[in-house]
Amino acid sequence: DTEVTQTPKHLVMGMTNKKSLKCEQHMGHRAMYWYKQKAKKPPELMFVYSYEKLSINESVPSRFSPECPNSSLLNLHLHALQPEDSALYLCASSQDGELFFGEGSRLTVL
Amino acid sequence: AQSVAQPEDQVNVAEGNPLTVKCTYSVSGNPYLFWYVQYPNRGLQFLLKYITGDNLVKGSYGFEAEFNKSQTSFHLKKPSALVSDSALYFCAVRAHRSNYQLIWGAGTKLIIKP
Repeated sequence: DTEVTQTPKHLVMGMTNKKSLKCEQHMGHRAMYWYKQKAKKPPELMFVYSYEKLSINESVPSRFSPECPNSSLLNLHLHALQPEDSALYLCASSQDGELFFGEGSRLTVL
Repeated sequence: AQSVAQPEDQVNVAEGNPLTVKCTYSVSGNPYLFWYVQYPNRGLQFLLKYITGDNLVKGSYGFEAEFNKSQTSFHLKKPSALVSDSALYFCAVRAHRSNYQLIWGAGTKLIIKP
């Protein structure tokens, strides 16, 4: 069982919609991540928050907007997405190097 | 350039036989190496890591990996495969001078046949 919880598990949205993905962890980890994963491919790093501050932004388009309200929560706000943004979005946290992943939010953009 | 190679897209093993999933790396400095597993329609799960110390690392679900510095390899092994081990396996190495960025292998699909 994962200790990183992601909601929703599935999301279908149109290109003009605004939606948000949510992630929560209660392990006291100070680093939280958003990854994007296409089928059968390795995950691609999008954002890293360290101590609630954005530490890494891997040149992600502005239609993806991360937010870290507190040390346990991480959001990913979605607006005006493209069909190629359809993927599994994974949240993770870390403390001593290894990543703890949530089950992911599977996003389909129509 | 830093990189991780998993030379096999797929590995097929009969249940009960030993399994090996290969990983080689190229990175500056001392490597921090990881193995993750992904079951169908699930997130990734951490299996084991090598940072320093004993070259043989033991991890979850009976898996182990051997760090070989001269061959720059970190192969994943298990003495006796189970059908439930069938999954997608990723090797990763921490990027040089980064606390957060991992360089991932392409993944190896492991199929265990009864």
